[in-house]
Amino acid sequence: QKEVEQDPGPLSVPEGAIVSLNCTYSNSAFQYFMWYRQYSRKGPELLMYTYSSGNKEDGRFTAQVDKSSKYISLFIRDSQPSDSATYLCAMNHNQGGKLIFGQGTELSVKP
Amino acid sequence: EAEVAQSPRYKITEKSQAVAFWCDPISGHATLYWYRQILGQGPELLVQFQDESVVDDSQLPKDRFSAERLKGVDSTLKIQPAELGDSAMYLCASSLPREGGTGELFFGEGSRLTVL
Repeated sequence: QKEVEQDPGPLSVPEGAIVSLNCTYSNSAFQYFMWYRQYSRKGPELLMYTYSSGNKEDGRFTAQVDKSSKYISLFIRDSQPSDSATYLCAMNHNQGGKLIFGQGTELSVKP
Repeated sequence: EAEVAQSPRYKITEKSQAVAFWCDPISGHATLYWYRQILGQGPELLVQFQDESVVDDSQLPKDRFSAERLKGVDSTLKIQPAELGDSAMYLCASSLPREGGTGELFFGEGSRLTVL
């Protein structure tokens, strides 16, 4: 069993839809949770960063962490075609430590 | 805007040949990482450097892979001999030391390797 599980998709939604992306994990020692966005043929770029449980909002993006359920989510409101990318969840025990990535979910937002 | 530079962007090689990838991290970033990303999967850490020292190379296949960061700045990842299963994207990332930031990893655009 992988430490981090993520539904690979692909996920296709119409423009303006609310998108929900999720990851589950098995290691309760994880404390730092991240979402990276990766466009085709590019390296990942950090989208959201959360420490421990709770919510964090940044514009159209909201990250949620539920450590009791070992479950994290990324919500995208008013999705745009430019949001079409692969979204990777990632987590680690401490800042600067080994980052464990999920498989990535491929998202396509249709105009 | 500062970026992590990687070269080459694309490399096609035959099985059993030697391959090398180069990475220049963002200036001032003491920590450098090499990740491998197989198509359709998330990146997996191969090796982590703090300055010129290896911090974690537990997932590096040491019989064929080597990595160095001699002066604590740029880094080279070598594969010799390359095997078909090495076909992947090799991503370099860097970050500030823990005390200096959130630990955010900044990735380069990657080097895509195809082994024939």
